[in-house]
Amino acid sequence: EIVLTQSPATLSLSPGERATLSCRASQHVSNYLAWYQQKPGQAPRLLIYDASNRATGIPARFSGSGSGTDFTLTISSLEPEDFAVYYCQQRSNWPLTFGGGTKVEIK
Amino acid sequence: EVQLVDFGGGLVQPGGSLRLSCAASGFTFSSYWMTWVRQAPGKGLEWVANIKQDGSEKYYVDSVKGRFTISRDNAQNSLSLQVNSLRAEDTAIYYCARNNRGFDYWGQGTLVTVSS
Repeated sequence: EIVLTQSPATLSLSPGERATLSCRASQHVSNYLAWYQQKPGQAPRLLIYDASNRATGIPARFSGSGSGTDFTLTISSLEPEDFAVYYCQQRSNWPLTFGGGTKVEIK
Repeated sequence: EVQLVDFGGGLVQPGGSLRLSCAASGFTFSSYWMTWVRQAPGKGLEWVANIKQDGSEKYYVDSVKGRFTISRDNAQNSLSLQVNSLRAEDTAIYYCARNNRGFDYWGQGTLVTVSS
């Protein structure tokens, strides 16, 4: 099973600041990595697929990078609606797995 | 508009069963892999099962193998998850999702609570 480790667990930032979230895979996953945003009481929303492609309707302030085992989600300038929990997920191998999540909270 | 509506959850005793369903609309259901993902209260996301477009391939997380069965009816645009031999640790919100190089559309989730 591929384990995805997200860091940090919590990121405390102010609106307008840059957020950098990390996801590290225990094995090579090529670029088969996605990022999701989840707000309380809501289903997750796909942000990025295949490491660096924004999903439909996702603002340009969200970007993804990386390949192999190390991946990054960057939010260039935090908007109030971006404070949420973010998960990475790999589709390289069965079982599909998610990281434990990073909570981006208002400082 | 793509829409996924999950239903069928509820309160069930340990060892009991439920059938979760997901009604799909707004896209060609038979063209996509489909997925169930769950989330225990206050916890992260866990992938549960996937099914191929024609139902010929199914994959499960180890913790549910032999107890859960994913299925689909392409004529009815519906996805199902039969959950048997339920345990307390199966308590979660269960989401259906469409696979498109990521889970690009999600249902609203249906809550399964396993408790005596």
